[in-house]
Amino acid sequence: DVKVTQSSRYLVKRTGEKVFLECVQDMDHENMFWYRQDPGLGLRLIYFSYDVKMKEKGDIPEGYSVSREKKERFSLILESASTNQTSMYLCASSLPSGLTDTQYFGPGTRLTVL
Amino acid sequence: SQKIEQNSEALNIQEGKTATLTCNYTNYSPAYLQWYRQDPGRGPVFLLLIRENEKEKRKERLKVTFDTTLKQSLFHITASQPTDSATYLCALATGGGNKLTFGTGTQLKVEL
Repeated sequence: DVKVTQSSRYLVKRTGEKVFLECVQDMDHENMFWYRQDPGLGLRLIYFSYDVKMKEKGDIPEGYSVSREKKERFSLILESASTNQTSMYLCASSLPSGLTDTQYFGPGTRLTVL
Repeated sequence: SQKIEQNSEALNIQEGKTATLTCNYTNYSPAYLQWYRQDPGRGPVFLLLIRENEKEKRKERLKVTFDTTLKQSLFHITASQPTDSATYLCALATGGGNKLTFGTGTQLKVEL
């Protein structure tokens, strides 16, 4: 079974802090994604990556950056956390297009910015 | 851009009945459509994928239909159980490159 793990289930940070959210997958998937999920808005794509050191902006990249130095690890960085970044953050991975685009999600990190 | 509509109101049904959830999309028909289940405080879990040339797909008590003319997918759970209570999301491939656009989900509550 694919396993996607996220570094924290719950995180509380202060406004202005730099925040790192880590995601690791163990199935050698090329694609990795970061979403945030808010009530009434559903899952919104922040960034995704097709390969090591490659990244592309999703629908809401402002205020975020990402890093993918190794195939299994995809990090989301909040350079200066703000209260409107309080949300549930979900990481996912998948195989390349043409095979199956099923996404496998981690358990999520609930981030609160005070 | 692709817009996906799922009923935002919770669906309450009695145990043993069939639950039917709807997913409508507005633009081009995708090559496939997926359904996921999400429990509170958890990440979504993949359930079923149906391709544009498939009218119906089944997996145990689950059935998905895909009507590209109506731009709609229906997700059925037969003989529903309280453990089926969760939020169900539909997702479509968008923009190529494995990106998915998710609906906001419909919460299903199965009561005894």
